[in-house]
Amino acid sequence: DSGVTQTPKHLITATGQRVTLRCSPRSGDLSVYWYQQSLDQGLQFLIQYYNGEERAKGNILERFSAQQFPDLHSELNLSSLELGDSALYFCASSPRQGYNSPLHFGNGTRLTVT
Amino acid sequence: AQSVTQLDSQVPVFEEAPVELRCNYSSSVSVYLFWYVQYPNQGLQLLLKYLSGSTLVESINGFEAEFNKSQTSFHLRKPSVHISDTAEYFCAVLFTGNQFYFGTGTSLTVIP
Repeated sequence: DSGVTQTPKHLITATGQRVTLRCSPRSGDLSVYWYQQSLDQGLQFLIQYYNGEERAKGNILERFSAQQFPDLHSELNLSSLELGDSALYFCASSPRQGYNSPLHFGNGTRLTVT
Repeated sequence: AQSVTQLDSQVPVFEEAPVELRCNYSSSVSVYLFWYVQYPNQGLQLLLKYLSGSTLVESINGFEAEFNKSQTSFHLRKPSVHISDTAEYFCAVLFTGNQFYFGTGTSLTVIP
């Protein structure tokens, strides 16, 4: 058990809809990362937050947004969903910025857009 | 630009045979190196890490990886694989600036 919790585990929704994925980092970790994993694109970095502030952006679409709350949990919002958004979405956490600690991953949320 | 390359997308190997999964990265500046394993329908789990010190690092289940600074490589090896090693393996590099870069993954299939 990595200590990173992601909910829900599975999500099935229709095109055009909006969903919210939730992540609770390991106790004490300040940094949260979001990744998208699909068969054709592999593991893609979306966005990173550190202690409530956005720190880095990767290949995140404008239809997607995220935030990290004061209690350090994070949410990834996906809107105007398309079939191609179907993927595994992972959250990972690490202790703090600039620290050589590995990322610890949750078990992911599998999103299916129909 | 910084990058991580896993040269083999799929590696089939017979049970009890040795295996090497290759990983190269783009920069010779200070880096921290990691291997992750992903079993079906699960998240990525840390397999081993190189932060400093000895260039050879080992995991609890028999895998080892060697940091080679001159060749900018961090290949993963196991002298004798087991069926349970069948999984996807990801190499990851933490470059200065706290940005993680992942390779595209290598699917290891152990054949009975």
